[in-house]
Amino acid sequence: SQKIEQNSEALNIQEGKTATLTCNYTNYSPAYLQWYRQDPGRGPVFLLLIRENEKEKRKERLKVTFDTTLKQSLFHITASQPADSATYLCALAARRSQGNLIFGKGTKLSVKP
Amino acid sequence: DAGVIQSPRHEVTEMGQEVTLRCKPISGHDYLFWYRQTMMRGLELLIYFNNNVPIDDSGMPEDRFSAKMPNASFSTLKIQPSEPRDSAVYFCASSSPSGGPITGELFFGEGSRLTVL
Repeated sequence: SQKIEQNSEALNIQEGKTATLTCNYTNYSPAYLQWYRQDPGRGPVFLLLIRENEKEKRKERLKVTFDTTLKQSLFHITASQPADSATYLCALAARRSQGNLIFGKGTKLSVKP
Repeated sequence: DAGVIQSPRHEVTEMGQEVTLRCKPISGHDYLFWYRQTMMRGLELLIYFNNNVPIDDSGMPEDRFSAKMPNASFSTLKIQPSEPRDSAVYFCASSSPSGGPITGELFFGEGSRLTVL
């Protein structure tokens, strides 16, 4: 069956370090992968999109990689700050299911000062 | 723009009652999505519309759930009768025509937290 797994439910790091979150998938042929941020009591907010033919995407302190061979995406936040503390969700758009964006359960990141 | 607007933000009801959740998408967006989020199952797509027409409702749990989009600026998700297992946060999201449903970003509302006693 199709599955998306984010490496851990929670990740704790020290301010200034790089946070690396993992998103693995099985039994998908993803056309696109997106990352969202969700704060408590709020809706998810889009951060980055990466296509299947792209290896890496950057936006300010954020970097996303996409390895279709390993079936994995890595999401990096460099020079992390306490304000980066939130839950981060990855989402896949499968080629065969246009419009059906499948979300992982998320990783809760806590950045300690 | 005010973003995607959902109401009510919180709803507490008793088992068997009808629940109606409402959504106003961002003006100009022609895709509208309804998602449900729980701790156990995460964020699940229930149904989505394109130009007010339901495209995929395979995520709707059962016949107790129904969704409508009578015009481009309004959608409802109805649960009748409600059950305790329906307790969750229900999100509405919209996306722009240039992006499309699988390329463009989704803009989410703040959600409607439903508790069924």
